[in-house]
Amino acid sequence: QSLLTQPPSVSGAPGQRVTISCTGSSSNIGAGFEVHWYQQLPGTAPKVFIYSNTNRPSGVPERFSGSKSGTSASLAITGLQAEDEADYYCQSYDNSLSAYVFGSGTKVTVL
Amino acid sequence: EVQLVESGGGLVQPGGSLILSCVASGFTVSSNSMSWVRQAPGKGLEWVSGIYSGDTTYYTDSVKGRFTISRDNSKNTLYLQMNSLRTEDTAMYYCARDDRRTYYYSSGTYYHADWGQGTLVTVSS
Repeated sequence: QSLLTQPPSVSGAPGQRVTISCTGSSSNIGAGFEVHWYQQLPGTAPKVFIYSNTNRPSGVPERFSGSKSGTSASLAITGLQAEDEADYYCQSYDNSLSAYVFGSGTKVTVL
Repeated sequence: EVQLVESGGGLVQPGGSLILSCVASGFTVSSNSMSWVRQAPGKGLEWVSGIYSGDTTYYTDSVKGRFTISRDNSKNTLYLQMNSLRTEDTAMYYCARDDRRTYYYSSGTYYHADWGQGTLVTVSS
């Protein structure tokens, strides 16, 4: 069972805004460790989409944004597009395990 | 351009061993922190092991004592030696180049900036 909890799925119509939550605890997100987000398209390797809570690597569309507060973080997609349909994972560090941890993953479906 | 190419996966019996390799180009393995991340079929991502400055190594609890991460600077290659393999080790194994932001007062949390295409390990009798 993952230490970072994400909803199994979220969906929205094209153009809508969707958010994915990542809930941790005082030993990971709440301890001040940064949160990163990855997109994984079917059959491909993951790709970092947000790093250090809020930063977008070059090439990632501006409609993707990240935030962090307390023991949780969120990934928002504003203006959902068909190509955003994928699995999304959050990632941080846990000091009780002394290990990097991933969220359970969220499948985004574009209706 | 950064490139990571894994190899060495395959079918192995429970209790067997495998060595995974990850050849890097576009950067120097010895100057970067590196990780292995795995994904069981139909499941989520799991960090397995990492190697950092001074060749300090870390492992997830389930592989401690069985897996060893290392790097060969002359070959610019990362390795994962896997012994005493179990059926639950069946997964796609990715190598990744790690990065983190640096602040004047501290360092950020590592993230997996670049990934290989993965190599599949199947543990089955």
